Amino acid sequence: EAAVTQSPRNKVAVTGGKVTLSCNQTNNHNNMYWYRQDTGHGLRLIHYSYGAGSTEKGDIPDGYKASRPSQENFSLILELATPSQTSVYFCASGDARTGGYEQYFGPGTRLTVL
Amino acid sequence: QQQVRQSPQSLTVWEGETAILNCSYEDSTFNYFPWYQQFPGEGPALLISIRSVSDKKEDGRFTIFFNKREKKLSLHITDSQPGDSATYFCAASAGTNAYKVIFGKGTHLHVLP
Repeated sequence: EAAVTQSPRNKVAVTGGKVTLSCNQTNNHNNMYWYRQDTGHGLRLIHYSYGAGSTEKGDIPDGYKASRPSQENFSLILELATPSQTSVYFCASGDARTGGYEQYFGPGTRLTVL
Repeated sequence: QQQVRQSPQSLTVWEGETAILNCSYEDSTFNYFPWYQQFPGEGPALLISIRSVSDKKEDGRFTIFFNKREKKLSLHITDSQPGDSATYFCAASAGTNAYKVIFGKGTHLHVLP
């Protein structure tokens, strides 16, 4: 089973500050995803990646950037954090070579922007 | 916007009863429907899934019923246990864009002992 880890697990940031959320997966999956989860909205896709060097916009990309420097690592960057970005963020990975549909999620990062 | 809708938002059943969680979708290109289970403080985990060529998928106490014509599916949890108390997400994918998945808003299931 894929192992996906996220850091930090909790983060408090100030409005206007820069925040970087990190994700690492150890099962050599091609695809990786960043979601946010808010009450009443379920999981919404922010950015995703096909592999090292690629990033694609998801359904709610405004205010976020992503970086995929290697197969294992996928970061989510908030250049100018705002209180509306307070949420729980989940990273996931999936393997295109075996169909790709199954996504394996990390434990989440709880971000609070004051 | 592609949408996946779930109902009810919250469901309470007694231990041993069958819980029925409903899901519907709009996009006819969706061909894969996973259900994820999430416990508080954890990430979602794949529970069971079905492809559009099937009308039923069973895994232990969990069964998906799929109606392609009506664009509806349901998750049945038989002999519900208190440990099944969690949030269940229905999702859908068309297999494009890195197998991008659209999630519903979830059903909170409470199983009372």
